[in-house]
Amino acid sequence: QVQLLESGPKLVEPSGTLSLTCVVSGGSFSSSDWWSWVRQAPGKGPEWIGEIYHEGNTNYNPSFNSRVTISLDKSKNQFYLSLSSVTAADTAMYYCTKDPFGDYTEHWGRGTLVTVSS
Amino acid sequence: ERVMTQSPATLSVFPGERATLSCRASEDVSSNLAWYQHAPGQAPRLLIYGTTNRATGVPARFSGSGFGTEFTLTISSLQSEDSGFYYCQQYNNWPRTFGQGTKVEIK
Repeated sequence: QVQLLESGPKLVEPSGTLSLTCVVSGGSFSSSDWWSWVRQAPGKGPEWIGEIYHEGNTNYNPSFNSRVTISLDKSKNQFYLSLSSVTAADTAMYYCTKDPFGDYTEHWGRGTLVTVSS
Repeated sequence: ERVMTQSPATLSVFPGERATLSCRASEDVSSNLAWYQHAPGQAPRLLIYGTTNRATGVPARFSGSGFGTEFTLTISSLQSEDSGFYYCQQYNNWPRTFGQGTKVEIK
């Protein structure tokens, strides 16, 4: 059973960069799966941020413009989220996920709450 | 992007009764629709994919139906452990988008 665990700073200053890590256990990146980041702001539905394939291909939600970067380190079984120029609107629970063929999400982490505030 | 609209916002149901949740897509998403359950303090859980397919380990009381722009999640006999938020998601068009959710409460 694949398990995902998010980690990173819980407080980020406005205009700074939000950086999160997802540790994957019980699975590997060498498959047809895509690995994504999803966030959920308080009182709102989830929002898909972007995804990465084990070969390094990435797709990003256009609503994030060029602020987002997703990368991976297969040797560590980890993938990463970097979101720059954050504002209070980026305050949310951030989840990492495993998505078969880049479709629906089969596995979710428990999420990590990130607050943007000075 | 496809906008997903869920209704009702909140659904209160007695244990053992049927719960019906709706999801509408702003444009055709074929059968590429998934449902997730999110209980407080837990990771979200995949319930249904491809509109009608139950994920591994999901009880038979959960079923999905629909096509195109109108979709339904039915819980045939609500159990106490079914309380929480339910979200639909389309993955027919990029970017994948979610509904705003339905909160299911046990009366």
